[in-house]
Amino acid sequence: AQSVTQPDIHITVSEGASLELRCNYSYGATPYLFWYVQSPGQGLQLLLKYFSGDTLVQGIKGFEAEFKRSQSSFNLRKPSVHWSDAAEYFCAVGHTGGFKTIFGAGTRLFVKA
Amino acid sequence: ETGVTQTPRHLVMGMTNKKSLKCEQHLGHNAMYWYKQSAKKPLELMFVYSLEERVENNSVPSRFSPECPNSSHLFLHLHTLQPEDSALYLCASSQDSGNNEKLFFGSGTQLSVL
Repeated sequence: AQSVTQPDIHITVSEGASLELRCNYSYGATPYLFWYVQSPGQGLQLLLKYFSGDTLVQGIKGFEAEFKRSQSSFNLRKPSVHWSDAAEYFCAVGHTGGFKTIFGAGTRLFVKA
Repeated sequence: ETGVTQTPRHLVMGMTNKKSLKCEQHLGHNAMYWYKQSAKKPLELMFVYSLEERVENNSVPSRFSPECPNSSHLFLHLHTLQPEDSALYLCASSQDSGNNEKLFFGSGTQLSVL
């Protein structure tokens, strides 16, 4: 069965430092992969998605993610974090047969001054 | 503003109450979803509607009853809930219901069951 694992429950980085959030998936074929962000009191917003092609995907707000089939990973990166990036980040995979997007448990990002 | 509006934002109800959550999307999408978000757990898909027809019912207890009167509106009717049903209930929509679709989420209804 498809699954998504985000190993880090929370991460703290300093403003201006680089960021990498980890995501591993279990899927039998080429997956559809997503990263969403949820600010406090808000719904989820799509940052980027991967379907096929170039394995390095650019998203909004300066985020990027790299699909690595050999590692079953789709890690999210940002070269320089801003205080406004503090939020919860969810990795997700599109489920076989349509309809369902499976989400990881999320990683809470804290940004310190 | 994502184009998906949920009301109310907060709801407190007793276990014997009946209440409804409302979701409205202004994006012209064909699919709508209910998700449950509990602390420290992945989002749980509850229901999916495509063109006003329910296409997924993810083993949700019958005390949750969805209704989709048209492609722009989605309701979740609640009755005789349990304290463990306290959570953030998120509505989402997408252009279609495929597994590669971008989801647009509302801000959610924070539900507390006493």
